[in-house]
Amino acid sequence: DQQVKQNSPSLSVQEGRISILNCDYTNSMFDYFLWYKKYPAEGPTFLISISSIKDKNEDGRFTVFLNKSAKHLSLHIVPSQPGDSAVYFCAASGDSGAGSYQLTFGKGTKLSVIP
Amino acid sequence: DGGITQSPKYLFRKEGQNVTLSCEQNLNHDAMYWYRQDPGQGLRLIYYSQIVNDFQKGDIAEGYSVSREKKESFPLTVTSAQKNPTAFYLCASGQYLSYEQYFGPGTRLTVT
Repeated sequence: DQQVKQNSPSLSVQEGRISILNCDYTNSMFDYFLWYKKYPAEGPTFLISISSIKDKNEDGRFTVFLNKSAKHLSLHIVPSQPGDSAVYFCAASGDSGAGSYQLTFGKGTKLSVIP
Repeated sequence: DGGITQSPKYLFRKEGQNVTLSCEQNLNHDAMYWYRQDPGQGLRLIYYSQIVNDFQKGDIAEGYSVSREKKESFPLTVTSAQKNPTAFYLCASGQYLSYEQYFGPGTRLTVT
Protein backbone atom coordinates (compact mmCIF):
# COMPACT_ATOMS: atom_id res chain seq x y z
CA ASP A 1 0.00 0.00 0.00
CA GLN A 2 1.72 3.12 -1.25
CA GLN A 3 1.12 5.95 1.19
CA VAL A 4 2.97 8.59 -0.84
CA LYS A 5 2.37 8.69 -4.57
CA GLN A 6 4.09 10.58 -7.33
CA ASN A 7 2.01 9.65 -10.33
CA SER A 8 4.21 11.25 -12.98
CA PRO A 9 7.43 9.27 -13.47
CA SER A 10 8.85 11.99 -15.68
CA LEU A 11 8.36 15.62 -16.67
CA SER A 12 9.99 17.74 -19.39
CA VAL A 13 10.00 21.53 -19.20
CA GLN A 14 11.61 24.29 -21.25
CA GLU A 15 14.28 26.35 -19.55
CA GLY A 16 12.81 29.47 -17.97
CA ARG A 17 9.32 28.02 -17.64
CA ILE A 18 7.63 26.70 -14.51
CA SER A 19 8.06 23.10 -13.37
CA ILE A 20 5.24 21.65 -11.26
CA LEU A 21 5.82 18.34 -9.53
CA ASN A 22 2.89 16.69 -7.77
CA CYS A 23 2.56 14.37 -4.81
CA ASP A 24 -0.45 12.73 -3.16
CA TYR A 25 -0.62 10.99 0.19
CA THR A 26 -3.15 8.77 1.90
CA ASN A 27 -2.12 8.75 5.58
CA SER A 28 -3.95 11.44 7.56
CA MET A 29 -1.34 11.19 10.32
CA PHE A 30 1.36 12.73 8.13
CA ASP A 31 2.05 16.25 9.36
CA TYR A 32 5.30 17.21 7.70
CA PHE A 33 6.32 16.99 4.08
CA LEU A 34 9.68 17.28 2.38
CA TRP A 35 11.08 17.42 -1.12
CA TYR A 36 14.45 15.94 -1.98
CA LYS A 37 16.45 16.29 -5.19
CA LYS A 38 18.62 13.44 -6.39
CA TYR A 39 21.23 13.14 -9.12
CA PRO A 40 22.21 9.69 -10.46
CA ALA A 41 24.55 7.70 -8.20
CA GLU A 42 24.37 10.35 -5.47
CA GLY A 43 22.48 10.70 -2.23
CA PRO A 44 19.32 12.85 -2.13
CA THR A 45 19.71 16.44 -0.99
CA PHE A 46 17.07 18.19 1.06
CA LEU A 47 15.31 20.91 -0.92
CA ILE A 48 12.33 22.34 0.93
CA SER A 49 9.73 21.27 3.47
CA ILE A 50 6.34 22.28 4.79
CA SER A 51 4.46 21.66 7.99
CA SER A 52 0.79 20.72 7.91
CA ILE A 53 -0.08 23.96 9.71
CA LYS A 54 0.95 25.90 6.60
CA ASP A 55 -0.31 25.82 3.05
CA LYS A 56 2.72 27.39 1.36
CA ASN A 57 6.45 27.64 1.88
CA GLU A 58 8.81 29.50 -0.39
CA ASP A 59 12.59 29.41 -0.75
CA GLY A 60 14.01 31.28 -3.70
CA ARG A 61 12.89 29.61 -6.92
CA PHE A 62 11.21 26.77 -5.03
CA THR A 63 7.71 26.88 -3.57
CA VAL A 64 5.80 24.01 -2.00
CA PHE A 65 2.01 24.13 -1.73
CA LEU A 66 -0.01 21.88 0.58
CA ASN A 67 -3.71 21.13 0.22
CA LYS A 68 -4.59 19.09 3.30
CA SER A 69 -8.21 18.47 2.36
CA ALA A 70 -7.09 16.93 -0.93
CA LYS A 71 -4.04 15.27 0.63
CA HIS A 72 -1.99 16.81 -2.15
CA LEU A 73 1.20 18.80 -2.35
CA SER A 74 3.12 20.28 -5.20
CA LEU A 75 6.58 21.70 -5.79
CA HIS A 76 6.89 24.68 -8.12
CA ILE A 77 10.24 25.65 -9.62
CA VAL A 78 10.34 29.06 -11.29
CA PRO A 79 12.21 29.69 -13.50
CA SER A 80 13.41 26.21 -14.34
CA GLN A 81 17.11 25.82 -15.11
CA PRO A 82 19.02 22.97 -16.78
CA GLY A 83 20.77 22.28 -13.45
CA ASP A 84 17.36 21.43 -11.98
CA SER A 85 17.29 18.26 -14.09
CA ALA A 86 17.20 15.47 -11.51
CA VAL A 87 14.83 13.06 -9.80
CA TYR A 88 12.61 14.72 -7.20
CA PHE A 89 11.29 12.69 -4.28
CA CYS A 90 8.36 13.68 -2.15
CA ALA A 91 8.53 12.42 1.45
CA ALA A 92 6.08 12.54 4.33
CA SER A 93 6.44 12.09 8.04
CA GLY A 94 4.55 11.98 11.29
CA ASP A 95 5.58 11.18 14.81
CA SER A 96 5.65 7.39 14.98
CA GLY A 97 6.43 7.46 18.69
CA ALA A 98 9.47 8.00 20.93
CA GLY A 99 10.64 10.99 18.93
CA SER A 100 11.16 8.97 15.79
CA TYR A 101 10.23 10.76 12.59
CA GLN A 102 10.40 8.19 9.86
CA LEU A 103 10.10 9.33 6.29
CA THR A 104 7.90 7.64 3.71
CA PHE A 105 9.04 8.35 0.17
CA GLY A 106 7.27 8.46 -3.16
CA LYS A 107 8.83 6.78 -6.19
CA GLY A 108 10.14 10.03 -7.61
CA THR A 109 9.61 12.20 -10.69
CA LYS A 110 12.43 12.67 -13.16
CA LEU A 111 12.54 16.31 -14.24
CA SER A 112 14.29 17.23 -17.48
CA VAL A 113 14.80 20.92 -18.17
CA ILE A 114 15.44 21.49 -21.85
CA PRO A 115 17.75 24.39 -22.76
CA ASP B 1 33.53 19.75 6.79
CA GLY B 2 30.53 18.12 8.42
CA GLY B 3 28.79 15.38 6.57
CA ILE B 4 28.01 11.75 6.04
CA THR B 5 30.46 9.39 4.41
CA GLN B 6 29.70 6.01 2.94
CA SER B 7 32.33 3.65 1.70
CA PRO B 8 33.02 2.19 -0.70
CA LYS B 9 31.15 3.86 -3.55
CA TYR B 10 30.91 0.57 -5.47
CA LEU B 11 31.01 -2.93 -3.97
CA PHE B 12 30.96 -6.30 -5.68
CA ARG B 13 30.34 -9.60 -3.91
CA LYS B 14 29.65 -13.19 -4.76
CA GLU B 15 26.31 -14.67 -3.83
CA GLY B 16 26.34 -16.30 -0.40
CA GLN B 17 28.80 -13.86 1.12
CA ASN B 18 27.95 -11.38 3.85
CA VAL B 19 29.04 -7.80 3.20
CA THR B 20 29.20 -4.77 5.49
CA LEU B 21 28.54 -1.23 4.27
CA SER B 22 30.09 1.62 6.20
CA CYS B 23 28.33 4.82 7.27
CA GLU B 24 29.98 7.54 9.34
CA GLN B 25 28.68 11.00 10.27
CA ASN B 26 30.31 13.95 12.04
CA LEU B 27 27.16 16.06 12.28
CA ASN B 28 26.57 15.05 15.90
CA HIS B 29 23.18 13.67 14.89
CA ASP B 30 21.46 11.25 17.22
CA ALA B 31 19.40 9.39 14.63
CA MET B 32 20.74 7.35 11.73
CA TYR B 33 18.93 5.48 8.99
CA TRP B 34 19.57 2.96 6.22
CA TYR B 35 17.54 2.97 3.01
CA ARG B 36 17.58 0.93 -0.13
CA GLN B 37 16.76 2.27 -3.59
CA ASP B 38 15.89 0.08 -6.55
CA PRO B 39 15.40 1.35 -10.14
CA GLY B 40 12.11 3.20 -10.50
CA GLN B 41 11.42 2.89 -6.80
CA GLY B 42 11.44 5.27 -3.91
CA LEU B 43 13.63 4.87 -0.88
CA ARG B 44 12.64 2.07 1.45
CA LEU B 45 13.67 2.05 5.10
CA ILE B 46 15.76 -0.91 6.24
CA TYR B 47 16.79 -0.03 9.80
CA TYR B 48 17.03 3.07 11.95
CA SER B 49 18.64 4.02 15.22
CA GLN B 50 17.77 6.91 17.49
CA ILE B 51 20.45 6.34 20.09
CA VAL B 52 23.64 4.37 20.64
CA ASN B 53 23.11 0.65 21.29
CA ASP B 54 19.50 0.80 20.11
CA PHE B 55 17.97 0.28 16.68
CA GLN B 56 14.62 -0.68 15.14
CA LYS B 57 13.57 -2.54 12.02
CA GLY B 58 12.19 -0.58 9.13
CA ASP B 59 9.91 -1.80 6.38
CA ILE B 60 12.33 -4.24 4.73
CA ALA B 61 14.72 -5.44 7.47
CA GLU B 62 14.77 -9.13 6.50
CA GLY B 63 18.24 -10.27 5.46
CA TYR B 64 19.97 -7.24 6.99
CA SER B 65 21.59 -6.48 10.32
CA VAL B 66 23.00 -3.33 11.92
CA SER B 67 24.91 -2.17 14.96
CA ARG B 68 25.20 1.22 16.69
CA GLU B 69 28.16 1.05 19.03
CA LYS B 70 29.16 4.67 18.46
CA LYS B 71 27.08 7.76 17.79
CA GLU B 72 29.06 8.47 14.62
CA SER B 73 28.81 5.04 13.04
CA PHE B 74 25.95 2.85 11.79
CA PRO B 75 27.25 -0.05 9.66
CA LEU B 76 24.85 -2.23 7.69
CA THR B 77 25.51 -5.90 7.02
CA VAL B 78 23.82 -7.46 4.01
CA THR B 79 23.62 -11.14 4.82
CA SER B 80 23.36 -14.13 2.51
CA ALA B 81 19.72 -14.39 3.59
CA GLN B 82 18.84 -11.25 1.65
CA LYS B 83 17.28 -12.58 -1.55
CA ASN B 84 17.83 -9.55 -3.78
CA PRO B 85 20.83 -7.69 -2.37
CA THR B 86 21.85 -5.83 -5.53
CA ALA B 87 20.73 -2.23 -4.98
CA PHE B 88 21.82 1.31 -4.16
CA TYR B 89 22.14 1.73 -0.39
CA LEU B 90 21.77 5.10 1.28
CA CYS B 91 22.62 6.11 4.82
CA ALA B 92 21.08 9.18 6.43
CA SER B 93 21.20 10.98 9.73
CA GLY B 94 19.07 13.53 11.53
CA GLN B 95 18.75 15.38 14.79
CA TYR B 96 16.52 13.99 17.49
CA LEU B 97 12.96 15.32 17.14
CA SER B 98 13.73 16.70 13.68
CA TYR B 99 12.03 15.69 10.46
CA GLU B 100 14.90 16.53 8.12
CA GLN B 101 17.27 13.74 7.21
CA TYR B 102 20.61 14.26 5.49
CA PHE B 103 21.96 11.63 3.17
CA GLY B 104 25.35 10.23 2.35
CA PRO B 105 26.52 9.64 -1.24
CA GLY B 106 25.40 6.01 -1.28
CA THR B 107 26.98 2.61 -1.99
CA ARG B 108 26.11 0.63 -5.10
CA LEU B 109 26.21 -3.07 -4.17
CA THR B 110 26.27 -5.69 -6.90
CA VAL B 111 25.98 -9.35 -5.97
CA THR B 112 26.55 -11.97 -8.66
